[in-house]
Amino acid sequence: SQQGEEDPQALSIQEGENATMNCSYKTSINNLQWYRQNSGRGLVHLILIRSNEREKHSGRLRVTLDTSKKSSSLLITASRAADTASYFCATVYQGAQKLVFGQGTRLTINP
Amino acid sequence: EPEVTQTPSHQVTQMGQEVILRCVPISNHLYFYWYRQILGQKVEFLVSFYNNEISEKSEIFDDQFSVERPDGSNFTLKIRSTKLEDSAMYFCASCRDRGLETQYFGPGTRLLVL
Repeated sequence: SQQGEEDPQALSIQEGENATMNCSYKTSINNLQWYRQNSGRGLVHLILIRSNEREKHSGRLRVTLDTSKKSSSLLITASRAADTASYFCATVYQGAQKLVFGQGTRLTINP
Repeated sequence: EPEVTQTPSHQVTQMGQEVILRCVPISNHLYFYWYRQILGQKVEFLVSFYNNEISEKSEIFDDQFSVERPDGSNFTLKIRSTKLEDSAMYFCASCRDRGLETQYFGPGTRLLVL
């Protein structure tokens, strides 16, 4: 499999805390994309980070990419109950165009 | 903001029947994709389509599957003879530039094969 693991598989925190999710992959990438999925619904794009970038921000989201370790992390600061969802990383490998998804992290924010 | 749309949102069919899932990609996008997600599993790539032909397909995308862009706006996935294991959420996605830009996903069609 080209895709590595996401960890943790499930994360439960209190509202207001920060949530960090990690993703690893196995070969060189063009870019890595993070998506959110509410239960049984569609995939909402959050952030794309390119292989030559190390960090990107969008509102309360911060994504880092470490190509030497083949890993990425998604940080959600000051979490809200509405952030409860599954979060997936997906990679586009060099020379390819398809997204390869991880298993995802189920995030639960407790009020 | 432009978005990918899919119809129907839900479809129930009998095993062996043909189904057509429809998608309208974002209008200035050139690359189109189908993915599926079996309940509780990860999202899997099925096929990519560019310039009116398949550019890549997965092992899942066998002879029972076909894709078509019948006009300038629609992008369809046909399953000729559905099997129980085809039950899944099917997502259409589109992208402006091959492998380099964000892939935007539709809301999905939940297919149940009985």
